[in-house]
Amino acid sequence: EVQLQQSGAELVRPGTSVKLSCKVSGDTITAYYMHFVKQRPGQGLEWIGRIDPEDDSTKYAEKFKNKATLTADTSSNTAYLKLSSLTSEDTATYFCTTSNNYGGYYFDYWGQGVMVTVSS
Amino acid sequence: NIVLTQSPASLAVILGQKATISCTASESVNKFGINLMHWYQQKPGQLPKILIYNEFSRAPGIPARFSGDEAELNFTLTIEPVEADDVATYYCQQGLTFPLTFGSGTKLEIK
Repeated sequence: EVQLQQSGAELVRPGTSVKLSCKVSGDTITAYYMHFVKQRPGQGLEWIGRIDPEDDSTKYAEKFKNKATLTADTSSNTAYLKLSSLTSEDTATYFCTTSNNYGGYYFDYWGQGVMVTVSS
Repeated sequence: NIVLTQSPASLAVILGQKATISCTASESVNKFGINLMHWYQQKPGQLPKILIYNEFSRAPGIPARFSGDEAELNFTLTIEPVEADDVATYYCQQGLTFPLTFGSGTKLEIK
């Protein structure tokens, strides 16, 4: 059974960066695209971007292009999301999730989510 | 970007009755004859779960009470009969092109 284990909650200062991890077990990470999704408190789901761990290619939603950086480490079966220049608008839960890598792109496996709180 | 307009924002349904949630796409999400529209359920405090993929295919373990349909660019998720455990927010999502986009969500409550 595929499982995604995300790193713990973060309390960070405005203007700093944070790097979240998402470890895949039960399969090799290169079998999937790895995506990250943002959910602000009481709000809907927002796609941030995806990485193909096979070749490290990435795609981002326009609004996250200067905010988010996706990376992956195939040796540890882990994907990462780095968020930079944090503001209160980045306070949210961030989910990692998988999709196939050939089209259709629906999210079948999900991490438990990481709450990031940006506060001074 | 493909915009998904979801309605209603909230819905109260009597136990055992039918719930219908609509999601209208701003353009076609069809590829090779398959509508790449997907539906998720998110219960309070939990992570989202895939219900329906490719317009009408139920994900493993999803009961037949959940069904998906399409007419032109208007996609519907139907839950019948509604059970107490279905209280959640439901989202549509298109999987045709990047950026992948979600609808704004429909909160289902029991009347």
